[in-house]
Amino acid sequence: AQTVTQSQPEMSVQEAETVTLSCTYDTSESDYYLFWYKQPPSRQMILVIRQEAYKQQNATENRFSVNFQKAAKSFSLKISDSQLGDAAMYFCAYSLGDFGNEKLTFGTGTRLTIIP
Amino acid sequence: DTGVSQNPRHKITKRGQNVTFRCDPISEHNRLYWYRQTLGQGPEFLTYFQNEAQLEKSRLLSDRFSAERPKGSFSTLEIQRTEQGDSAMYLCASSSTGIAFFGQGTRLTVV
Repeated sequence: AQTVTQSQPEMSVQEAETVTLSCTYDTSESDYYLFWYKQPPSRQMILVIRQEAYKQQNATENRFSVNFQKAAKSFSLKISDSQLGDAAMYFCAYSLGDFGNEKLTFGTGTRLTIIP
Repeated sequence: DTGVSQNPRHKITKRGQNVTFRCDPISEHNRLYWYRQTLGQGPEFLTYFQNEAQLEKSRLLSDRFSAERPKGSFSTLEIQRTEQGDSAMYLCASSSTGIAFFGQGTRLTVV
């Protein structure tokens, strides 16, 4: 069975600084998808970024980028120029299937606090 | 289209009662998922549908839980004979291209 591990229950960062959230996973599959989801206090989960395992190039979305290390089964999220609106729970997730549209397996999350 | 809609947002029920939640997905999405999230944890998969077909059920889903998606549109999740351990946030998501869009969830409290 696939597992996703987030070893940092809480992180904090000064506004405008950069922070990296860690995620490791375990799978025997070679083709899969990895995601970072953000859950603000209103509790609606929002996709931050998606990475296809077959792509060597790391995904980026504006201030958000990932460091995908397939051999190490590591998938960290870097947030640059942190903003107050980035404060949320961040979940790393894994999926199989076309475009990653099978079930998501989530980690336990990292609570990110932004210090003004 | 305003996204994935879940009703009710909050439900308080007495132990032993049955409850039903509804999820209206984004209209063109053929996949619909149910997850359960307890405080301080990541969401746990319960079940998912492709159109009206239920493709997978988690072993977490006891016989007291049932889900339907008639005609491949909205979905309902029913919990029979609720227990205090069922207290959680129940999240619904839909997708068509692998990006899951989540609703705001239904918070169930069993007293």
